[in-house]
Amino acid sequence: QKEVEQNSGPLSVPEGAIASLNCTYSDRGSQSFFWYRQYSGKSPELIMFIYSNGDKEDGRFTAQLNKASQYVSLLIRDSQPSDSATYLCAVFNDYKLSFGAGTTVTVRA
Amino acid sequence: GAVVSQHPSWVICKSGTSVKIECRSLDFQATTMFWYRQFPKQSLMLMATSNEGSKATYEQGVEKDKFLINHASLTLSTLTVTSAHPEDSSFYICSAGEGQGNQPQHFGDGTRLSIL
Repeated sequence: QKEVEQNSGPLSVPEGAIASLNCTYSDRGSQSFFWYRQYSGKSPELIMFIYSNGDKEDGRFTAQLNKASQYVSLLIRDSQPSDSATYLCAVFNDYKLSFGAGTTVTVRA
Repeated sequence: GAVVSQHPSWVICKSGTSVKIECRSLDFQATTMFWYRQFPKQSLMLMATSNEGSKATYEQGVEKDKFLINHASLTLSTLTVTSAHPEDSSFYICSAGEGQGNQPQHFGDGTRLSIL
């Protein structure tokens, strides 16, 4: 079983819609959770991090964490073409980050 | 915000050459830095954890004699790919974070290595 799993996508959404990205993790002791955005050929860029159960909002992005279900999600509201990228879920445990395979999002103009 | 600088951004060299990649934390000190490798259309794979003043911790399957890591100061870690071969061609990325390891990691811009 992979440590961090994401829905593989690709996910295609129309401009202005909500993109919903999901991630599950296997280590129940994980405490820190991150979402990164990676454009093709570029390095990952931190979008959100969340440590506690519930929702955390930052602009058009909302991260949701449910530790009991070992589930973390990212919502992108009012999706823009510039949001088209691969989104990586990362979980910190055992002194290192483990990454999911990523979900590629395409926002259609 | 925290800035991580990585250099060079692109290297093309002949098989058998050794290549050094630098990773610097510009506005903070990092006792720990991480080195990743990413092949096309794949996710990031952690290669090793670089610890200031001590030996690096390598992930299973990563040859420590081939991928030499030095973390001599709180702002600089280097990765040297020794005797590089075409199969070492990849995108190498470093990261560092402020404070404890569970704090957000910030990535350098990456180094695209092509071995001919």
